[in-house]
Amino acid sequence: NAGVTQTPKFQVLKTGQSMTLQCAQDMNHEYMSWYRQDPGMGLRLIHYSVGAGITDQGEVPNGYNVSRSTTEDFPLRLLSAAPSQTSVYFCASSYNGEPGNTIYFGEGSWLTVV
Amino acid sequence: KNEVEQSPQNLTAQEGEFITINCSYSVGISALHWLQQHPGGGIVSLFMLSSGKKKHGRLIATINIQEKHSSLHITASHPRDSAVYICAVRGYDMRFGAGTRLTVKP
Repeated sequence: NAGVTQTPKFQVLKTGQSMTLQCAQDMNHEYMSWYRQDPGMGLRLIHYSVGAGITDQGEVPNGYNVSRSTTEDFPLRLLSAAPSQTSVYFCASSYNGEPGNTIYFGEGSWLTVV
Repeated sequence: KNEVEQSPQNLTAQEGEFITINCSYSVGISALHWLQQHPGGGIVSLFMLSSGKKKHGRLIATINIQEKHSSLHITASHPRDSAVYICAVRGYDMRFGAGTRLTVKP
């Protein structure tokens, strides 16, 4: 059982480049989300999805796009990378959006924008 | 002011010591989660609390809804407990504390 799988684990981008962080889960979870983690700050929600075809913005959505064409996959797209997007990104999933559900995280993706 | 405050930010202990990490929050919540982030970056869920107390092995988590406060205790700490411990609260959405970095020395 793979859980939540994120790729790539490490990436260096030049300013202005675009890229996609992949996230897949094999637990048939409805709720998926993307967070960024910056030094000295808590995880912050970028975008989330409550099911296939449904996405919504979180706390820090600017500069990122998402889509949810299947239950399993929830890719995060950086449209035009900026140094401010240097961060560690985590994808997470849970059975649904209910507060009491266990949250499962991917291993993280370290992104550096130069 | 952050909606979720953790203390201390950093904690160093000797093996065998009793550890307490605190979390205070300022928003209404439906649930509180304690997470553990290992040095390699992976995050795992330890507890979900909506009231009272939960115990799993050497870890104990408590929550006081009226005081908007939760604590995570580790009994008989071990070097393998070294990690960052994160408090997260679920209200309208999920808000995270900045984490407490715990180092347990042998």
